[in-house]
Amino acid sequence: DTEVTQTPKHLVMGMTNKKSLKCEQHMGHRAMYWYKQKAKKPPELMFVYSYEKLSINESVPSRFSPECPNSSLLNLHLHALQPEDSALYLCASSPRQGLVDTQYFGPGTRLTVL
Amino acid sequence: SQELEQSPQSLIVQEGKNLTINCTSSKTLYGLYWYKQKYGEGLIFLMMLQKGGEEKSHEKITAKLDEKKQQSSLHITASQPSHAGIYLCGADNGGATNKLIFGTGTLLAVQP
Repeated sequence: DTEVTQTPKHLVMGMTNKKSLKCEQHMGHRAMYWYKQKAKKPPELMFVYSYEKLSINESVPSRFSPECPNSSLLNLHLHALQPEDSALYLCASSPRQGLVDTQYFGPGTRLTVL
Repeated sequence: SQELEQSPQSLIVQEGKNLTINCTSSKTLYGLYWYKQKYGEGLIFLMMLQKGGEEKSHEKITAKLDEKKQQSSLHITASQPSHAGIYLCGADNGGATNKLIFGTGTLLAVQP
């Protein structure tokens, strides 16, 4: 089973709202990732967690706050977003954070900020 | 920083035709991944190549990594409408952090 699940599938929020995206995997993977993908562009890495610790933050604005409560779960807390943050947010996981470990992606959350 | 350039940017083929997508890296590739994405959906892992000269196949899709490890090609034989989508190559940046960078993408349409 190589399934990564993400909820919600779609999210519409105002600039003053607080919301969260959720990602879950049960493959025993110890690395989890958040990517942002704008229309007609490739995904761009935002955060990496390795063994539940934040390993990489690609200089993401603080209005995005990641959290990894356990090895199966990854959240992305959203607060005071801007319309330009509207995008497809993809979660991925891999066995480890290291060379040539395949990342498996979830279906994504389509976020619209009004 | 490493860059991945894909060609062509888009491709329209008749069902049953063969096609090739290329991915060229500005640096040596340590691991090259091919993914497929339907518009607005997640990425589906196709295959991973690691060694120069390596070739892998899955159903009607074959991927190769050239000897100098700076280019990969994805070949689809006898294309079907189900092959339509965006094909993305991805490469490990060569460091210890497994940071995956993606190519510019190739949009494939298959006409019945």
